[in-house]
Amino acid sequence: KQEVTQIPAALSVPEGENLVLNCSFTDSAIYNLQWFRQDPGKGLTSLLLIQSSQREQTSGRLNASLDKSSGRSTLYIAASQPGDSATYLCAVRGGSGGSNYKLTFGKGTLLTVNP
Amino acid sequence: NAGVTQTPKFQVLKTGQSMTLQCAQDMNHNSMYWYRQDPGMGLRLIYYSASEGTTDKGEVPNGYNVSRLNKREFSLRLESAAPSQTSVYFCASRDLSREQYFGPGTRLTVT
Repeated sequence: KQEVTQIPAALSVPEGENLVLNCSFTDSAIYNLQWFRQDPGKGLTSLLLIQSSQREQTSGRLNASLDKSSGRSTLYIAASQPGDSATYLCAVRGGSGGSNYKLTFGKGTLLTVNP
Repeated sequence: NAGVTQTPKFQVLKTGQSMTLQCAQDMNHNSMYWYRQDPGMGLRLIYYSASEGTTDKGEVPNGYNVSRLNKREFSLRLESAAPSQTSVYFCASRDLSREQYFGPGTRLTVT
């Protein structure tokens, strides 16, 4: 059964810092990996999608990498801002015996960026 | 283009009452999903519909039923609500690139 772990569970940084959020998964036979952002009381907003054949994706100040063989992904946020404060969720699609249709989520990293 | 919409936004039920959560997407996606989110448990898949006319169970289907009414709409029904079903419910849909999009959620309390 696919399991997704996110470390750390919470992170507090001063504004302007570059930071890295980590995601690991137990079964490397995935179709893709998706990073989401969730603001308090809101739904999930998709940030980046990395297909299994890709190594990284970039969007603005965000860069996500994927190392499928080691079961790891990182989300790099450059020059953090208070507006980046949110919970960041990692989710993978697939795994041996799994379905192409199902996402398995980590429990998220709660990021606080202090002014 | 509203994306994924859900109704209602909030609901309070008494134990044993029934209700249907509505979800619609205007992005012409084939696949649709229902999740619940609970503190410390993360997001868990209740049911999904890979395409119009098909539905399948996810991790936590007990106590729920679904209907894929057409390509746009996917509803979740609680026949006899229980306090354990107090949660935030999210609907999602998926496009051909396999990116998943979520609705704003329904906050349900069962007393």
